[in-house]
Amino acid sequence: AQSVTQLDSQVPVFEEAPVELRCNYSSSVSVYLFWYVQYPNQGLQLLLKYLSGSTLVKGINGFEAEFNKSQTSFHLRKPSVHISDTAEYFCAVSEAGNQFYFGTGTSLTVIP
Amino acid sequence: GAVVSQHPSRVICKSGTSVKIECRSLDFQATTMFWYRQFPKQSLMLMATSNEGSKATYEQGVEKDKFLINHASLTLSTLTVTSAHPEDSSFYICSARGQSGTEAFFGQGTRLTVV
Repeated sequence: AQSVTQLDSQVPVFEEAPVELRCNYSSSVSVYLFWYVQYPNQGLQLLLKYLSGSTLVKGINGFEAEFNKSQTSFHLRKPSVHISDTAEYFCAVSEAGNQFYFGTGTSLTVIP
Repeated sequence: GAVVSQHPSRVICKSGTSVKIECRSLDFQATTMFWYRQFPKQSLMLMATSNEGSKATYEQGVEKDKFLINHASLTLSTLTVTSAHPEDSSFYICSARGQSGTEAFFGQGTRLTVV
């Protein structure tokens, strides 16, 4: 089974500052990688995904992530955060689109 | 992206009663549906995977007689929490994937409170 690690459980950041949310996974086989955002009492919304091709993936709301196979990482970044980015962020890994394995989540708080 | 509708969004029930949660794919055929449970401030825990027309595959530690999953059509899966107890109170989320899909689309979640 896959293991997905999000080392930072909470990340406070000032508005308009850059942010990076870290994600590492365990498998060495081909995987699909995802970042989801969850607002309170809501389901998950897909931010971006990596299936193949370019290792730099751009998503919605100005987020991007870079797949690094050698480091088995898929860190999420945004150059300038907004108050509305305050939410819970989950990294997920899927082997060929089958079962999804989620990290424990990172709570991003944007400080005015 | 594809739309998955989950209903109800919130439900409060008495201990000992059963609750049914519906998960519908609105604009695609969901050959596989996943049911998750999420505790406060924690990640999603996969409960079971269901393929249309087949019995669900439950994760270790999940009571299949308590959490009944039915995936009778390509657009609907249901999770029934039978004889609910307060410890079953949680946030339940479904997701659906099409036959050729590489990603799963998530419902809005259901907040279950058992009193």
